[in-house]
Amino acid sequence: DTAVSQTPKYLVTQMGNDKSIKCEQNLGHDTMYWYKQDSKKFLKIMFSYNNKELIINETVPNRFSPKSPDKAHLNLHINSLELGDSAVYFCASSLGGDGNEQFFGPGTRLTVL
Amino acid sequence: LAKTTQPISMDSYEGQEVNITCSHNNIATNDYITWYQQFPSQGPRFIIQGYKTKVTNEVASLFIPADRKSSTLSLPRVSLSDTAVYYCLVILRMDSSYKLIFGSGTRLLVRP
Repeated sequence: DTAVSQTPKYLVTQMGNDKSIKCEQNLGHDTMYWYKQDSKKFLKIMFSYNNKELIINETVPNRFSPKSPDKAHLNLHINSLELGDSAVYFCASSLGGDGNEQFFGPGTRLTVL
Repeated sequence: LAKTTQPISMDSYEGQEVNITCSHNNIATNDYITWYQQFPSQGPRFIIQGYKTKVTNEVASLFIPADRKSSTLSLPRVSLSDTAVYYCLVILRMDSSYKLIFGSGTRLLVRP
């Protein structure tokens, strides 16, 4: 059973398009995260939700909009994709926030052409 | 704001002990320090977490000096399968929220 799953695993799209990445966790965790990992392997947090409430909102373009329909899901919608958005996006979850062990999904490799 | 610094890469041989240090200035007294391991094409995986002095689990030890300006992940007797990128993570508590700051990662290569 996959603990944290993401779809799709690969996403290739053209500049200007709008796309979504979905994340689901079956661990019963309260907190979910989105990270961006660039080509240099730097991991940067983008958002964090606790029980469907936004608690971390780092400085990311407002083209990125997270949506949490319930505490088991945290989706990431990206409008007007740009070349610089190409990266691997990881979803993660934890039992509570602020330092608890995070369980990461397998990642979604986004390529913007 | 705290910043984390790690060596870019390290080489080792099977059976050796490997110590990877992360420097983190401005870390407050109540911040956790966490280490993650990442293999290619996978998400990071939790290794160990500590607050002060020494923490040990079945795979690693974490040493945090009294000034908490650095922490050292110690991997005893590494094997080829320990070849991966290792990240330190500092959690900064701020009022009702917190910030998560990952180090830039240390690429460990274990040779036969």
